[in-house]
Amino acid sequence: SQQGEEDPQALSIQEGENATMNCSYKTSINNLQWYRQNSGRGLVHLILIRSNEREKHSGRLRVTLDTSKKSSSLLITASRAADTASYFCATDAGGGYQKVTFGIGTKLQVIP
Amino acid sequence: SAVISQKPSRDICQRGTSLTIQCQVDSQVTMMFWYRQQPGQSLTLIATANQGSEATYESGFVIDKFPISRPNLTFSTLTVSNMSPEDSSIYLCSATHRGETQYFGPGTRLLVL
Repeated sequence: SQQGEEDPQALSIQEGENATMNCSYKTSINNLQWYRQNSGRGLVHLILIRSNEREKHSGRLRVTLDTSKKSSSLLITASRAADTASYFCATDAGGGYQKVTFGIGTKLQVIP
Repeated sequence: SAVISQKPSRDICQRGTSLTIQCQVDSQVTMMFWYRQQPGQSLTLIATANQGSEATYESGFVIDKFPISRPNLTFSTLTVSNMSPEDSSIYLCSATHRGETQYFGPGTRLLVL
């Protein structure tokens, strides 16, 4: 079963606006990673946040993690048409297996 | 970071045949994995490719259907056997080093007719 669930499943915004995507998961995690996928192509790694971290930034991306609520959010500021893609969260439950479980994803459309 | 390549990038196959997908990583990694992404869906883990031993399969996936090899630290193959149209998916290889960032290959788009 899927560990993470993204919310919303689809999001459409105007260029320049901010986009926020949320991810909830069910069990304790070692870390959580966000990925972008353009139209059925490979996954691009965006950010990894560890369970003892609360917030991370990378360029226009900001990720937060609330382990008490078992949730994470990805904020893309000043969105561009090129940000149009599907975004997935993936959780590593630890235990030494190093495998990640993916959520269902959010389809983001940025309208020029 | 690790750069992962996959071959072939896409293929169209007839039902009943088999296809072997290759995954090459440009640096030594500890773990390699194979995922399937069905049309419009998220990624589902097929198995962990173990170096020099049998792969560890997730529930719903079996070795007879998806035999996997990993002869060394940087190379793995996934075979999709006795294919049916339901096997039409993107197959992705991933790798991680010591439990940190998991990197993905560009994927192999498979269409089974």
